[in-house]
Amino acid sequence: GENVEQHPSTLSVQEGDSAVIKCTYSDSASNYFPWYKQELGKRPQLIIDIRSNVGEKKDQRIAVTLNKTAKHFSLHITETQPEDSAVYFCAVQDSNYQLIWGAGTKLIIKP
Amino acid sequence: NAGVTQTPKFQVLKTGQSMTLQCAQDMNHNSMYWYRQDPGMGLRLIYYSASEGTTDKGEVPNGYNVSRLNKREFSLRLESAAPSQTSVYFCASSPQGQETQYFGPGTRLLVL
Repeated sequence: GENVEQHPSTLSVQEGDSAVIKCTYSDSASNYFPWYKQELGKRPQLIIDIRSNVGEKKDQRIAVTLNKTAKHFSLHITETQPEDSAVYFCAVQDSNYQLIWGAGTKLIIKP
Repeated sequence: NAGVTQTPKFQVLKTGQSMTLQCAQDMNHNSMYWYRQDPGMGLRLIYYSASEGTTDKGEVPNGYNVSRLNKREFSLRLESAAPSQTSVYFCASSPQGQETQYFGPGTRLLVL
């Protein structure tokens, strides 16, 4: 079955700097890759997603890049702000159309 | 729209007790899911329902049962709670044929 690995588990960056979180997956047939943000004590919420027919997608300060050959995709956050502090999860849709989740990255924005 | 709602928000059980977690969505979604989230871990799928009338096991179904009562409601039952089931439980839903999942606020369950 699909296996998703997410790195790093914790990322601390200075406010205003960029943050990059990477996920790798195993099933080359996977074609949908969302990223979710979960603030402390809250529910996960979709922040951006990408499908296999594109290599990059941007939404203001957030971007996702996909390398299907290498089977990895990354979340890029530029000009980080205090409200970006949260846990970020990547996920991959498997052959049963279910999402397989990474273990999460705790992003800490230092003032 | 309220989106996805869950009850209760918090529950304490003793080992061996039973309870049902309720989930409802008002977005006319076909698919619904139950996850558990343990500290430092991602979301693990317990059961899902691709459409009204169907349910399937996910990654960690042991110790749980589900009922898709109608299109709106999907409940999760613990017949005999164990301390290992202490977790935060999230319900989610998605439109048929679309992958985006919308989550409820979660239920924090503590089994003593």
